[in-house]
Amino acid sequence: DAGVIQSPRHEVTEMGQEVTLRCKPISGHNSLFWYRQTMMRGLELLIYFNNNVPIDDSGMPEDRFSAKMPNASFSTLKIQPSEPRDSAVYFCASSGTGNNQPQHFGDGTRLSIL
Amino acid sequence: RKEVEQDPGPFNVPEGATVAFNCTYSNSASQSFFWYRQDCRKEPKLLMSVYSSGNEDGRFTAQLNRASQYISLLIRDSKLSDSATYLCVVNMGSWIIFGKGTRLHILP
Repeated sequence: DAGVIQSPRHEVTEMGQEVTLRCKPISGHNSLFWYRQTMMRGLELLIYFNNNVPIDDSGMPEDRFSAKMPNASFSTLKIQPSEPRDSAVYFCASSGTGNNQPQHFGDGTRLSIL
Repeated sequence: RKEVEQDPGPFNVPEGATVAFNCTYSNSASQSFFWYRQDCRKEPKLLMSVYSSGNEDGRFTAQLNRASQYISLLIRDSKLSDSATYLCVVNMGSWIIFGKGTRLHILP
């Protein structure tokens, strides 16, 4: 059974460039989450979707960040324009419906903005 | 949003010993709780959910104290492979907060 699939695994790009991170949740999971992890701030929830609808994006740091979920099997997190302080590991996770459902994480995307 | 706090450690514990760590949360409306484990440069993985009555999974025991607003994780007969960072997770229904984790090193 495939887990959460993220791409790319690593991305190195220059500041000012657009970055798009991709996520395929586990089939049948209704909720999808985007996180950012840094040494200083730990794992932070950026935005989450239920049934493809964004529920709360208050964790998104700035307008440069946007996320979409056009269908149940695909989501993107976009940063435009990127800045060096956006360098982090970005995780996508999915879960079934309900607060008691645990989240399953993808392998993450290691993003470095030069 | 309210915080979730953990002792960052590291906890350096000899193999075979018992180790426990707590996680405090400040929002009394928190609904569900989990412990995750994260190895270096890997994704977090679910270790166990935390139920009101407490629950055990092999060498691991999780407890929830709603009155004092903390959850705990106890590891018995620790193994070298238990070395990792342990993250507590609090689901408040409308938001999810991860603690910054407690680093555990099991020493041979």
